[in-house]
Amino acid sequence: DVVMTQSPLSLPVTLGQPASISCRSSQTLVYSDGNIYLSWFHQRPGQSPRRLIYKVSDRDSGVPDRLSGSGSGTDFTLKISRVEAEDVGVYYCMQGTHWPHTFGQGTKLEIK
Amino acid sequence: EMQLVESGGGLVQPGGSLRLSCAASGFTFKNYHMGWVRQTPGEGLEWVANIRPDGSVKFYVDSVKGRFTISRDNARDSLFLQMNSLRVEDTAVYYCGRGGGNSDLWGQGTLVTVSS
Repeated sequence: DVVMTQSPLSLPVTLGQPASISCRSSQTLVYSDGNIYLSWFHQRPGQSPRRLIYKVSDRDSGVPDRLSGSGSGTDFTLKISRVEAEDVGVYYCMQGTHWPHTFGQGTKLEIK
Repeated sequence: EMQLVESGGGLVQPGGSLRLSCAASGFTFKNYHMGWVRQTPGEGLEWVANIRPDGSVKFYVDSVKGRFTISRDNARDSLFLQMNSLRVEDTAVYYCGRGGGNSDLWGQGTLVTVSS
């Protein structure tokens, strides 16, 4: 199985400051159609995960442009340019290229 | 509004069975891959099973092969997960998800607790 390794696992951030989460895959994630199925999800307590970013860098509808995804090969990053209170929660990366689809361990973002 | 609503979770003894259901609305269900994902506090998120739009091909994570069966009824916009020979380690919140590797919509989840 493809192992997805996130860092850091805990991310205390001051409001208005930037934040960055890294996700590394144990194998390349290029699918046979040429796409890289790497997504980022955000989960608040008591809620189901919500997708933010898909295919490395495409933002889902309603996701603010403060959030951006990037990466290639086996290294991917989620960046928040200015953290707001609504950004708290756990962030997960997920690869959907290889079966079984696998998730990172999660990064808990909290406000300092 | 696009929505997925799971049901069927509950408390079951080890070795028992449960059937989870997922009702889809607000989109053309028959056009989408669908799957089940589970979440535990200790193990995080795990993609359990996937099924193609016409139900012809199914994928399972190794830990549930031979015990769980994913199925769908496109006429009723519904997804199912039959879980047999349940183990304590199957205890989790189970989410229904639209899409395969590019999943974009999940339900609110249903809790399955396997305990004696």
